[in-house]
Amino acid sequence: TQLLEQSPQFLSIQEGENLTVYCNSSSVFSSLQWYRQEPGEGPVLLVTVVTGGEVKKLKRLTFQFGDARKDSSLHITAAQPGDTGLYLCAGARRGNNDMRFGAGTRLTVKP
Amino acid sequence: NAGVMQNPRHLVRRRGQEARLRCSPMKGHSHVYWYRQLPEEGLKFMVYLQKENIIDESGMPKERFSAEFPKEGPSILRIQQVVRGDSAAYFCASLYTRDTEAFFGQGTRLTVV
Repeated sequence: TQLLEQSPQFLSIQEGENLTVYCNSSSVFSSLQWYRQEPGEGPVLLVTVVTGGEVKKLKRLTFQFGDARKDSSLHITAAQPGDTGLYLCAGARRGNNDMRFGAGTRLTVKP
Repeated sequence: NAGVMQNPRHLVRRRGQEARLRCSPMKGHSHVYWYRQLPEEGLKFMVYLQKENIIDESGMPKERFSAEFPKEGPSILRIQQVVRGDSAAYFCASLYTRDTEAFFGQGTRLTVV
């Protein structure tokens, strides 16, 4: 079982639609990060959330960290084909050294 | 991110050979993680190193795999006697400290033939 469970695993939508992807765990994290990875490339950091209940916005992307710091969500408004990619969440638990990743949500936005 | 350099980008090895994957972290970063990624999957943690120390290798197979991060030079992930199942993309990430953001290299794609 994954420490961080991401859902859905795959998502295919039309350009202009909104979507939300989730990252859940039974563990508490000191911080959670969201990355986007395109084919053939390494993951690129989008945002880090640190405080329980925190909401961060990056243009059309809205990131939320759960109050209990066990889960996070990423909402994309008016998706564009350029948003296509693998979205990964990652975090390090308090007192642990290992930064773990979820399995990712593979998003396809069709024009 | 261009700051973390991995080489080679592509590596082909025959079964039984050794593979050496290099990762030069960003300037000033002394923490390195290695991950393995199979096609259509997420990143699987392998090992976490600080300069000259292995902090956590719980994700790395106990046989054939080893990692180091010397005082000088890049971090090395070494796979001895490679098998077809070792074929994957291997990514390293560097951090300034454990709790700061991770920056990834572009990965090394290992193919075992």
